[in-house]
Amino acid sequence: GAVVSQHPSRVICKSGTSVKIECRSLDFQATTMFWYRQFPKQSLMLMATSNEGSKATYEQGVEKDKFLINHASLTLSTLTVTSAHPEDSSFYICSARDRGDGGQKLFFGSGTQLSVL
Amino acid sequence: GNSVTQMEGPVTLSEEAFLTINCTYTATGYPSLFWYVQYPGEGLQLLLKATKADDKGSNKGFEATYRKETTSFHLEKGSVQVSDSAVYFCALRDSGNTPLVFGKGTRLSVIA
Repeated sequence: GAVVSQHPSRVICKSGTSVKIECRSLDFQATTMFWYRQFPKQSLMLMATSNEGSKATYEQGVEKDKFLINHASLTLSTLTVTSAHPEDSSFYICSARDRGDGGQKLFFGSGTQLSVL
Repeated sequence: GNSVTQMEGPVTLSEEAFLTINCTYTATGYPSLFWYVQYPGEGLQLLLKATKADDKGSNKGFEATYRKETTSFHLEKGSVQVSDSAVYFCALRDSGNTPLVFGKGTRLSVIA
């Protein structure tokens, strides 16, 4: 079946540094990718929607200058957490919509646990 | 806005026990409803879905029925196995191309 690879699975960084998370669709083309985050004991919350070749659409309350999303190709989207702070510590997960399947199927990465010290 | 509420975990069951994970939703329209499962170290996978009232989704022995009158989509399995240990997410989608709205997830541990 379709696979979405997300790396890294876990990252620990110092406050003030930037962290990049990659999301790749391995065997399909994804015109749309979604980025979610989940704080402890909270729901998975949509952060942004990215379409290949265009700017991402951010949900209300998500700072676009802090969470940089690049969807440069049909198989790769990246999320960069800039100047990370401890409150950015969370579980981040991407999902990709399969272009070739009528766009109805979503596939998820395995997630990235970010801990900012 | 749309929202999903599912029972808090963790849930610990013995093998062959009956499982119910409650899920209720709030939506303005007529959403499609989903259960996703995340096994350790893997991404979320679609477990089952239902697209209209009274539909029953089923897969791998799991079932959930779309109940419009109670706005619920409870997940059930008659006899769980150790391999069912995972985190289960209830979700809804309002229309074809809108993003999913998730519940908080329920961690299930099945012990032999």
